[in-house]
Amino acid sequence: DVKVTQSSRYLVKRTGEKVFLECVQDMDHENMFWYRQDPGLGLRLIYFSYDVKMKEKGDIPEGYSVSREKKERFSLILESASTNQTSMYLCASSWGQNSNQPQHFGDGTRLSIL
Amino acid sequence: RKEVEQDPGPFNVPEGATVAFNCTYSNSASQSFFWYRQDCRKEPKLLMSVYSSGNEDGRFTAQLNRASQYISLLIRDSKLSDSATYLCVVNSYSGNTPLVFGKGTRLSVIA
Repeated sequence: DVKVTQSSRYLVKRTGEKVFLECVQDMDHENMFWYRQDPGLGLRLIYFSYDVKMKEKGDIPEGYSVSREKKERFSLILESASTNQTSMYLCASSWGQNSNQPQHFGDGTRLSIL
Repeated sequence: RKEVEQDPGPFNVPEGATVAFNCTYSNSASQSFFWYRQDCRKEPKLLMSVYSSGNEDGRFTAQLNRASQYISLLIRDSKLSDSATYLCVVNSYSGNTPLVFGKGTRLSVIA
């Protein structure tokens, strides 16, 4: 079974803080993704990566950055947290060199910015 | 037109009922189709892939209609444990998004 592990289930931070969300997968998948999910808006893609040190912007990259130094780890960084970044954050991974494969998700991190 | 559209529901059905969800997609070049299930406050989980010829997994049947650009999910003999949100997912070669997720259809199975 694919295992995608997110570092925290719940996180509370303050406005202006730099926040790191970590994600690790154990299946040697090439592709990793960060989403946020908000009521009524569905899943929205923030950033993704097809390989180590590579990153691509998703639909809503503003206010976020990512890092992929190792194949199994993909970090999401909120440079200066704001209250509108309070959300459920989901990491996913998939194998293959194209977008045809299903993605496997971690448990999610519920982030609250006060 | 949105890339992937689903009826948000909720669908409230009694135990044992048969229920069907449809999903339409806009990109005729899409090649991969999936149904995911998401329980309340949990992550989405892959329920099944959807193949051109249609496929079945126990009480669940998925169909693809390329001409009309829709996929469907049929659940027979509904169980209480089927209550969840069902997400239609399609791959996309346009824009920045490798997989496009619908917003989901909520199903409540009632005793």
